[in-house]
Amino acid sequence: DGGITQSPKYLFRKEGQNVTLSCEQNLNHDAMYWYRQDPGQGLRLIYYSQIVNDFQKGDIAEGYSVSREKKESFPLTVTSAQKNPTAFYLCASSVRDGYTFGSGTRLTVV
Amino acid sequence: GQNIDQPTEMTATEGAIVQINCTYQTSGFNGLFWYQQHAGEAPTFLSYNVLDGLEEKGRFSSFLSRSKGYSYLLLKELQMKDSASYLCAVNYWSGGFKTIFGAGTRLFVKA
Repeated sequence: DGGITQSPKYLFRKEGQNVTLSCEQNLNHDAMYWYRQDPGQGLRLIYYSQIVNDFQKGDIAEGYSVSREKKESFPLTVTSAQKNPTAFYLCASSVRDGYTFGSGTRLTVV
Repeated sequence: GQNIDQPTEMTATEGAIVQINCTYQTSGFNGLFWYQQHAGEAPTFLSYNVLDGLEEKGRFSSFLSRSKGYSYLLLKELQMKDSASYLCAVNYWSGGFKTIFGAGTRLFVKA
C-alpha cells in the first residue's frame, strides 16, 4: 500500500544534540512537507520541497535543516539551535487536492 | 494576513448530530479542507470544498460559503470513535499554493 513512513515514532534528545527524523514516501508525489504541531496551535510549516534537490523555508525554519536527494525521502534535522524542539512532527506529501500525512514523530528534549 | 478560527472543544452525545464551524480570512482562496486527527496519530483527509454549497460523504458533510469566509463540518449519528480533533485548513495562492491550518476542534463524544 502507498503511504508515508516516519521514524522513529518517539525520540528523545539531550540538550545540544542534533537529531534527524526520517520521512519516506512511495506515493510518487513531488511535493513533501514538514510540519510541527504544538498543543492549542495549528500545524506550522517548517520546510517544504516541490522537487528533488530543491527545498524552501516555511514559517518556522530556524533551527531546522532538510535535504531532498531522492524523491522518496525528505529527512528533517533538528539542530541544537532550535531552542524549543519538544513537539509532534508530521511529514506530508501532496498532490493539489490534499495532503497525505505520516504517523508522526514525537520529539522530547530531556 | 491569513487566519483561521475554530472552537477549541465541543462535546456531543452518541447518536446525535454535531456541527463544527470554521471561519477564515485569506486572500487568494483556493479551497478548504477538513481533516480528522486522533490523539497521537496522523491527520486523515475528510473533505475538500472548492465551490459554495454542501458536500455529503456518508455520515460526514462539509459546507462552504466563500463570500462569508465560513465552513462547517457536520457529523451525523455520532459514534464514540468520532472523538478526535477536527482540523480546518485553507489552501490559498500567494506566489504558489500554500495551506494554513486551524488549531483544531477537539470533539468529545459521550455515551
